[in-house]
Amino acid sequence: NAGVMQNPRHLVRRRGQEARLRCSPMKGHSHVYWYRQLPEEGLKFMVYLQKENIIDESGMPKERFSAEFPKEGPSILRIQQVVRGDSAAYFCASSQAGRTGLNSPLHFGNGTRLTVT
Amino acid sequence: KQEVTQIPAALSVPEGENLVLNCSFTDSAIYNLQWFRQDPGKGLTSLLLIQSSQREQTSGRLNASLDKSSGRSTLYIAASQPGDSATYLCAAFFITNAGKSTFGDGTTLTVKP
Repeated sequence: NAGVMQNPRHLVRRRGQEARLRCSPMKGHSHVYWYRQLPEEGLKFMVYLQKENIIDESGMPKERFSAEFPKEGPSILRIQQVVRGDSAAYFCASSQAGRTGLNSPLHFGNGTRLTVT
Repeated sequence: KQEVTQIPAALSVPEGENLVLNCSFTDSAIYNLQWFRQDPGKGLTSLLLIQSSQREQTSGRLNASLDKSSGRSTLYIAASQPGDSATYLCAAFFITNAGKSTFGDGTTLTVKP
């Protein structure tokens, strides 16, 4: 019973390149959340998705960042033209039910650590 | 603004001591509150989930309480061990927050042998 799978675990990109982070939720989970953790800071919400829908992207920077959760395949967090300030740990979480499943716990992946050089 | 605060930011105790970690939230309208553990360089491990209708949950040496009216939750760790050293995070699932959990900045616990 695999948990939330994120890959890659570590990603190094030069400034201006693109970063693609992948997240496969737990089996049976249809709700995916992305969080960012900057060095020495807490977890900050970025985006909440269900299959083929973005439910809440209020935590996403307006430019360069996008997320998707297609009908088939993992959820993707895409960062275009990366800058040094994007260096952080990006965590994905999934739950069995979202807002309507009031007591569905979040399960986290081990994160992708992005380093921009 | 819906916020979650954890105090203290860091705590150091000798092995065997019982301890309490605190979490406060600004809006009592929550679906649930969840406690996590994060080891350095790792992801988050879920410890306990307290539903809004519950007052406490227990798992082994851990006991989490919830007082919605005062906007507080505590995580009690009994007979602490060096292996308990980690950062502990609480997350509140606010009813009006479109389904996402809001995290505190965590309490980093060090248990000295």
